[in-house]
Amino acid sequence: QKEVEQDPGPLSVPEGAIVSLNCTYSNSAFQYFMWYRQYSRKGPELLMYTYSSGNKEDGRFTAQVDKSSKYISLFIRDSQPSDSATYLCATPTTSGTYKYIFGTGTRLKVLA
Amino acid sequence: EPEVTQTPSHQVTQMGQEVILRCVPISNHLYFYWYRQILGQKVEFLVSFYNNEISEKSEIFDDQFSVERPDGSNFTLKIRSTKLEDSAMYFCATQWEAAPYNEQFFGPGTRLTVL
Repeated sequence: QKEVEQDPGPLSVPEGAIVSLNCTYSNSAFQYFMWYRQYSRKGPELLMYTYSSGNKEDGRFTAQVDKSSKYISLFIRDSQPSDSATYLCATPTTSGTYKYIFGTGTRLKVLA
Repeated sequence: EPEVTQTPSHQVTQMGQEVILRCVPISNHLYFYWYRQILGQKVEFLVSFYNNEISEKSEIFDDQFSVERPDGSNFTLKIRSTKLEDSAMYFCATQWEAAPYNEQFFGPGTRLTVL
């Protein structure tokens, strides 16, 4: 079973829509969950992260973790064309150098 | 805002040639990583480096790969004899402390094309 799975999309939504991006993970020991945004031909940049279960909000973005179902989500409210990018979920391993395990990334396009 | 830089942005090489990819970390960061992303696939971990030593490496990171920080600033990834399957985006990431709650900052990547 793959450690982190993510629907690659692409996902196209109209401007102003609420976007839901999702990942599942297999190892219940994972505690931190990152969301990175990657614009075309750029490196990933951290949007936000959550620890354990619960929600975290930052402006138009909300990250949610449900540890019981091993499900992580990123919601984008009032989506903008500038949100068009690939969104990567990632989790650091629980020991060693805490290398990241990434999902495949979901490509999002917000249409003006 | 401090950032990780990488050079070159694009490297084209012939199969069997050696390539060196360079990264300049954020100045107070102590932990360094290389990841790669083959087109259409996941970003995957290659190696981590701390205190001039490899801390951890993946099964991808075989004897053809090496890393070093020769001058205390640049962090390099060398591929001794490139193969077609080495074609990918290579990302350097740096972190001031290896902890799961500390962000890894990624560079813009080097696109390696092996012909």
